[in-house]
Amino acid sequence: IAGITQAPTSQILAAGRRMTLRCTQDMRHNAMYWYRQDLGLGLRLIHYSNTAGTTGKGEVPDGYSVSRANTDDFPLTLASAVPSQTSVYFCASSLYRNTEAFFGQGTRLTVV
Amino acid sequence: AQSVTQLGSHVSVSEGALVLLRCNYSSSVPPYLFWYVQYPNQGLQLLLKYTSAATLVKGINGFEAEFKKSETSFHLTKPSAHMSDAAEYFCAVSEGNTPLVFGKGTRLSVIA
Repeated sequence: IAGITQAPTSQILAAGRRMTLRCTQDMRHNAMYWYRQDLGLGLRLIHYSNTAGTTGKGEVPDGYSVSRANTDDFPLTLASAVPSQTSVYFCASSLYRNTEAFFGQGTRLTVV
Repeated sequence: AQSVTQLGSHVSVSEGALVLLRCNYSSSVPPYLFWYVQYPNQGLQLLLKYTSAATLVKGINGFEAEFKKSETSFHLTKPSAHMSDAAEYFCAVSEGNTPLVFGKGTRLSVIA
């Protein structure tokens, strides 16, 4: 079934540790995104990529990095996790920037 | 920069009653507008989208939304609420060359 796969589905992480959230899409979409969802704040854009080889910063990029080596994969890395990065992380993709985005099932991350 | 305001973080309706979820947007160019639904512990699913064609947009599950440029609004409605409509609803805007910006969400409760 075509779509977006995120891994892991949930994780408890010690503060200061490095963590990479994985995201893979098989729809050949050009654009990909990482959002975080926090209660009362909705979804906020962390980083995005308009096409393979390019990335851009969103609303809340600090403490996160991304790469887009190919069309399908868009990993999100937390270099040194802090408790404020406890959140649900959603990866999404769209054919172009102004078309509808398709979302993965999310990764629930708890930093302790 | 574009932004979205969803009026009411929580809306409660009786089963069979009209559903009205409010969304106002800010955009410097003609916007692309979207409504998404999120069921518990799931990702976001597209309900409907406005991309400068008909101002009244019909979506899945009996929902529709009307684009009103003069009011900068894109409210979501459904004539008769079902218990299965209970979920979180998000309005989102894109200026065409930018990633989606989401509102903070409205939680819809349906009372039997």
